Amino acid sequence: NAGVTQTPKFQVLKTGQSMTLQCAQDMNHEYMSWYRQDPGMGLRLIHYSVGAGITDQGEVPNGYNVSRSTTEDFPLRLLSAAPSQTSVYFCASRLRDSLNHYNSPLHFGNGTRLTVT
Amino acid sequence: AQSVTQLDSHVSVSEGTPVLLRCNYSSSYSPSLFWYVQHPNKGLQLLLKYTSAATLVKGINGFEAEFKKSETSFHLTKPSAHMSDAAEYFCVVSTPRGSQGNLIFGKGTKLSVKP
Repeated sequence: NAGVTQTPKFQVLKTGQSMTLQCAQDMNHEYMSWYRQDPGMGLRLIHYSVGAGITDQGEVPNGYNVSRSTTEDFPLRLLSAAPSQTSVYFCASRLRDSLNHYNSPLHFGNGTRLTVT
Repeated sequence: AQSVTQLDSHVSVSEGTPVLLRCNYSSSYSPSLFWYVQHPNKGLQLLLKYTSAATLVKGINGFEAEFKKSETSFHLTKPSAHMSDAAEYFCVVSTPRGSQGNLIFGKGTKLSVKP
């Protein structure tokens, strides 16, 4: 079972460059999300989606765009990379049970380690 | 307001001794609670979850946690630590606040296991 797959695993960008972090899941989960993890800051939600065609902002959305054209894929775009976006990025998904959605645990990918110089 | 506090940023134990990682939460709702483990350079893996059934929850790799509503705690325990348990552990609160729930992550506890 593949679960949540993130590519690439590592990336180095120069300031001002753009790139897309890929995320795909094969569990038919409606809910998908992006987090960044920084030392001492824990995990912070960037954007999330509750289904194809629907996205919303999380806690730290500035500098990032997302789209959700299919249930399986949820790419994260950095429009103009900045050193402050150096971080580890995690994609996560979960079932969206309409009655008890908050009971479903998140399933995480292995992360993308991004360095912006 | 909802919040989660992991009381120790770092815990060090010897192999074969018990593990206790502490988590307190605050929630206006009946929460679901999760513990995740993160090994170096890996994603977060679910250890166990509490969703208003039995208050003592058993997870993978010999870990368990007890939900204590009166103390608003959800501490993670293991009777005997293994070297492979060295990792970072996250306590997560999930509440029905908002249309898609509200997930709050603790800041994490790094567990070191000495031989």
